[in-house]
Amino acid sequence: KNEVEQSPQNLTAQEGEFITINCSYSVGISALHWLQQHPGGGIVSLFMLSSGKKKHGRLIATINIQEKHSSLHITASHPRDSAVYICAVASPSLQGAQKLVFGQGTRLTINP
Amino acid sequence: NAGVTQTPKFRILKIGQSMTLQCAQDMNHNYMYWYRQDPGMGLKLIYYSVGAGITDKGEVPNGYNVSRSTTEDFPLRLELAAPSQTSVYFCASSGRDTSYLYEQYFGPGTRLTVT
Repeated sequence: KNEVEQSPQNLTAQEGEFITINCSYSVGISALHWLQQHPGGGIVSLFMLSSGKKKHGRLIATINIQEKHSSLHITASHPRDSAVYICAVASPSLQGAQKLVFGQGTRLTINP
Repeated sequence: NAGVTQTPKFRILKIGQSMTLQCAQDMNHNYMYWYRQDPGMGLKLIYYSVGAGITDKGEVPNGYNVSRSTTEDFPLRLELAAPSQTSVYFCASSGRDTSYLYEQYFGPGTRLTVT
């Protein structure tokens, strides 16, 4: 069993729909990251959180430490949100570095 | 700021050849990381560094070497390339912030094929 499991693996939706991507993990962590990988391959950090909820524009990320679960929500989805969304969990390492373990990613396609 | 830069963007190697993937950051970040992403698979950590002269292994270090002589640069060396090292390689960096949590900034990646 992978340490980090994402669901669904693929998601297709219509423009304007509310999107939820889930991430479950099985190890103790110091933080959880949500990343976006564009169709061209570039990777951008969306959120880093260790508790509660964060919001950036139309994106919301939540984490429940007790249940070892996080969700990424996109409100009013748009075709430009089409990308692979990756969950990664961090464990503390040498002198404060974060060793990330990644999920397989969720491929999101938003149709106009 | 250029952020995190990687060179080359693409490279084809023959089995047994060696090469160095370059990574540089201009954000004065302490921490730097090398990841590989195989087709259809998640990213995996190869090596990381917490500062000049200090490196440590990640999940998949075999076949690679690193060094960090300056804060800015973190090259990844492939010795005796093998087809299993065909992958996309990403470098990332992070620094300290007031919340003690360190967001990682990724380079554009190097696509390496070993034939």
